[in-house]
Amino acid sequence: ETGVTQTPRHLVMGMTNKKSLKCEQHLGHNAMYWYKQSAKKPLELMFVYSLEERVENNSVPSRFSPECPNSSHLFLHLHTLQPEDSALYLCASSQFIQGEQYFGPGTRLTVT
Amino acid sequence: KNEVEQSPQNLTAQEGEFITINCSYSVGISALHWLQQHPGGGIVSLFMLSSGKKKHGRLIATINIQEKHSSLHITASHPRDSAVYICAAPYSGGGADGLTFGKGTHLIIQP
Repeated sequence: ETGVTQTPRHLVMGMTNKKSLKCEQHLGHNAMYWYKQSAKKPLELMFVYSLEERVENNSVPSRFSPECPNSSHLFLHLHTLQPEDSALYLCASSQFIQGEQYFGPGTRLTVT
Repeated sequence: KNEVEQSPQNLTAQEGEFITINCSYSVGISALHWLQQHPGGGIVSLFMLSSGKKKHGRLIATINIQEKHSSLHITASHPRDSAVYICAAPYSGGGADGLTFGKGTHLIIQP
């Protein structure tokens, strides 16, 4: 596979469930990002990782927990989410922090 | 936090028309990004520019660093150009962080 991939593409979960979103980049990039896009709202930055270290946590609730085990993989662990967390979650990567970003197709999350 | 404003929010035009989308930002930046989002959510990076002008096919992006303003132009527009166009700037201007985004311009090109 090439580019940035995300799994699953669609996820429905209850408020008491625990699930994880996965992102993988095949571009040899050093920076990875999680963004959230809610209906009728602009994209919002959630987390930034550079060389597997978190460099930005944009005041995201603790029910979202990121993990970057290596420069190619990024996870977003979800637990006890709220219905308002339903959104499109996009992963992106770039060669360096201020570089051009390449986006994955997103995971459409619905919390019931 | 950098504040990014786009205009117009919605634009409908006829095929062949020249399209202009504007973007302004509040904090001096290292580079500005233009992105395209199709129905279904997929986002493609169109341009990253820090000065002057860039051209790719029928798309042209310009930036004025002093005025903190950028424009995206589409020449000879086509229905396949219909998408949401998003302007984005570094979250805190030039630091080690991700992007902050405008609300997007929803463009429809009618045949």
